[in-house]
Amino acid sequence: GIQVEQSPPDLILQEGANSTLRCNFSDSVNNLQWFHQNPWGQLINLFYIPSGTKQNGRLSATTVATERYSLLYISSSQTTDSGVYFCAVPSMRGGSEKLVFGKGTKLTVNP
Amino acid sequence: EAGVAQSPRYKIIEKRQSVAFWCNPISGHATLYWYQQILGQGPKLLIQFQNNGVVDDSQLPKDRFSAERLKGVDSTLKIQPAKLEDSAVYLCASSRTGGWQTQYFGPGTRLLVL
Repeated sequence: GIQVEQSPPDLILQEGANSTLRCNFSDSVNNLQWFHQNPWGQLINLFYIPSGTKQNGRLSATTVATERYSLLYISSSQTTDSGVYFCAVPSMRGGSEKLVFGKGTKLTVNP
Repeated sequence: EAGVAQSPRYKIIEKRQSVAFWCNPISGHATLYWYQQILGQGPKLLIQFQNNGVVDDSQLPKDRFSAERLKGVDSTLKIQPAKLEDSAVYLCASSRTGGWQTQYFGPGTRLLVL
């Protein structure tokens, strides 16, 4: 099945710093999602991004499907950005598409 | 619109005991998913329901895990008997259209098996 690799596994920043998180996937995909899991475990969808670039406030994401990677940019990071960021791609299995998640990047933003 | 509700939020049991988790999806959402998230990993799909029928349970350890969705609304996931390696967060998600793109996740149940 499709493999999803995220880097770096851990990232520690000072408040106000910028960061880039990467997601590589092993096969062609028709879509990709970025999620944020906060320290209390709640998983929130950030972006649904098959290709190109999207922006939402201080966060933006770029997917280059032909090269099988996606990037999540966080600018002017805040302590509330802490948590784990996952990318996930659909994989066909059992006759329907399922989300396959990477292992995540754990982000810690210090005040 | 209320989100996906799960209970309990935390559960500690001893190995070989049984445990059950409950999920109430967003009203009107036909598709319901149960995921297992082991510490340090991303969520892994265990089972997917469309209304009250199973769409995919290929990754559900059926010798000890079972799930049902009565009347196409609430769902329960049961583990019997539990093993140490079942310690994880169990996430429930739902979607209106059945497409993976529109899944909304609940807060999860943290299970610790001693």
